[in-house]
Amino acid sequence: DGGITQSPKYLFRKEGQNVTLSCEQNLNHDAMYWYRQDPGQGLRLIYYSQIVNDFQKGDIAEGYSVSREKKESFPLTVTSAQKNPTAFYLCASGFLNTEAFFGQGTRLTVV
Amino acid sequence: AQRVTQPEKLLSVFKGAPVELKCNYSYSGSPELFWYVQYSRQRLQLLLRHISRESIKGFTADLNKGETSFHLKKPFAQEEDSAMYYCALVVNQGGKLIFGQGTELSVKP
Repeated sequence: DGGITQSPKYLFRKEGQNVTLSCEQNLNHDAMYWYRQDPGQGLRLIYYSQIVNDFQKGDIAEGYSVSREKKESFPLTVTSAQKNPTAFYLCASGFLNTEAFFGQGTRLTVV
Repeated sequence: AQRVTQPEKLLSVFKGAPVELKCNYSYSGSPELFWYVQYSRQRLQLLLRHISRESIKGFTADLNKGETSFHLKKPFAQEEDSAMYYCALVVNQGGKLIFGQGTELSVKP
């Protein structure tokens, strides 16, 4: 496969609940990214990480949290503070300042 | 602030016509620019990067620092080129990768 795996493919959440999206890569990439994709708005950066145990906020970090305890893993938690969480979420990884490789995405729906 | 702008949400052309997808960027440093493509039901993938100066699937893109642009061009569009195209910018200091809003290219027979 492409070496970067997101799970699950579809996720349903009740209002007020936190939910965690998984992203794993076996490409030995240093950098990992989380984006939100909404129609007409392109990809908006939520968080990114260049190295283990370090990460930076992107343009729309409010209501989200991440961790980078292992090089291979960069899970994203959508908290109840995120006012409009229903969206398609994309994870990517790459070596710094080079091509990024994308996962297949997770579609989150709040019910 | 760093920003990537793709002014066209949708570009519709006929097969064999030339195509130009526009991308403008705002960044005070030395830009590292990419074009990514997303075909229907497939992952987002790299199409080309400005530093390699190559042509992929007949597409080329030239960095114009004076106009802060990185437009994607193809002389003769094919139906299989129909997809979403995203322009992206790496902010060198932080390895931050940001994208434009995307342009949907529709090539009609």
